[in-house]
Amino acid sequence: TQTVSQSDAHVTVFEGDSVELRCNYSYGGSIYLSWYIQHHGRGLQFLLKYYSGNPVVQGVNGFEAEFSKSDSSFHLRKASVHWSDSAVYFCAVINTGNYKYVFGAGTRLKVIA
Amino acid sequence: DPKIIQKPKYLVAVTGSEKILICEQYLGHNAMYWYRQSAKKPLEFMFSYSYQKLMDNQTASSRFQPQSSKKNHLDLQITALKPDDSATYFCASSQDTGPGNTLYFGEGSRLIVV
Repeated sequence: TQTVSQSDAHVTVFEGDSVELRCNYSYGGSIYLSWYIQHHGRGLQFLLKYYSGNPVVQGVNGFEAEFSKSDSSFHLRKASVHWSDSAVYFCAVINTGNYKYVFGAGTRLKVIA
Repeated sequence: DPKIIQKPKYLVAVTGSEKILICEQYLGHNAMYWYRQSAKKPLEFMFSYSYQKLMDNQTASSRFQPQSSKKNHLDLQITALKPDDSATYFCASSQDTGPGNTLYFGEGSRLIVV
């Protein structure tokens, strides 16, 4: 069974700052990795995903994530955040064997304008 | 326009009662899911359906019963409600059930059981 750890429950930055939201996973088999965003009172929306190839994947709204097999990580980054990026971000690991999504606990990003 | 419609958006129920959460998707997807999100637990998978057939059930309690009357519908019936059932229930869909398929979520139905 795969597990996902998002070590930071809350991150606060100023508008225009860069940000990195951390995700570490544990699973020995083949997986996909994804990030989703949840604005307050809304459903989750897809940001990006990785399976193979270039370890840096680009997503919507300037987000990117980098896969590291050695660190078992898939951290999400943005070079310059906007106040509208304030939301909860979820990392997900998808087992290619049973197609199961396992979500992390989420990181709440607060961007101060 | 929302492509996955969940009704109701909010509801309050009395302990012991029964409620049905409605979900319809207009994305033409073949797979549909229910997830639960509460303050105590992260987003938790409940059920998956593909072409109206149950594929996976990770809900221990039989009080939770999904119902699929059409390919684009997956309702969730909850009986004998308990305060611990208080959560936001998200319906999701994907083109198919393979791991490369992206999940699309509805806006959720927030249930409070008193």
